[in-house]
Amino acid sequence: EPEVTQTPSHQVTQMGQEVILRCVPISNHLYFYWYRQILGQKVEFLVSFYNNEISEKSEIFDDQFSVERPDGSNFTLKIRSTKLEDSAMYFCASSAKLRVEYGYTFGSGTRLTVV
Amino acid sequence: GESVGLHLPTLSVQEGDNSIINCAYSNSASDYFIWYKQESGKGPQFIIDIRSNMDKRQGQRVTVLLNKTVKHLSLQIAATQPGDSAVYFCAETPDKLIFGTGTRLQVFP
Repeated sequence: EPEVTQTPSHQVTQMGQEVILRCVPISNHLYFYWYRQILGQKVEFLVSFYNNEISEKSEIFDDQFSVERPDGSNFTLKIRSTKLEDSAMYFCASSAKLRVEYGYTFGSGTRLTVV
Repeated sequence: GESVGLHLPTLSVQEGDNSIINCAYSNSASDYFIWYKQESGKGPQFIIDIRSNMDKRQGQRVTVLLNKTVKHLSLQIAATQPGDSAVYFCAETPDKLIFGTGTRLQVFP
């Protein structure tokens, strides 16, 4: 069964450093998403991406965040200057169509720890 | 604003019993709902979904009930097993997912 792959599984970084979280969506999917889950809390939507541009973003997704699809397979989330409160699990997801009901797959996540 | 929440943060059940996990949503425009299971260190795993034109949907050991009048969802797990122990989230959509807070299901022998 096709999977969404995320690397690394765990990233430790110092406050103020830039981090890039990587995702390889399912190959025929067109819509890409990043979600965040702070420990013990609910999963929160960050951003959706389609046709090489952001289609929607949440209040969390401020100027410190950016997304990119640098080639035909990777989808990245960059945090320019990490803060302690950025520590969380970050999940990538992809879907074939806009509506979730037509197939929506999550990756296993990257645990980001900011020290 | 939009919100999806759960009534109980932790549910403990004995193996073999049935489990019921509840969820309230507030966005009446949502027309599709999903229950996800999340095990420790893993991403959300799809369990079952339901469209707003239905009030009940059954899977292998799971049933989702939707009450649009009171904006309430429930997940019923029959004959709960130790492998069912996880955090369960409801989510509403049609495009991006809005998740509830989550309920931890603990199954004891």
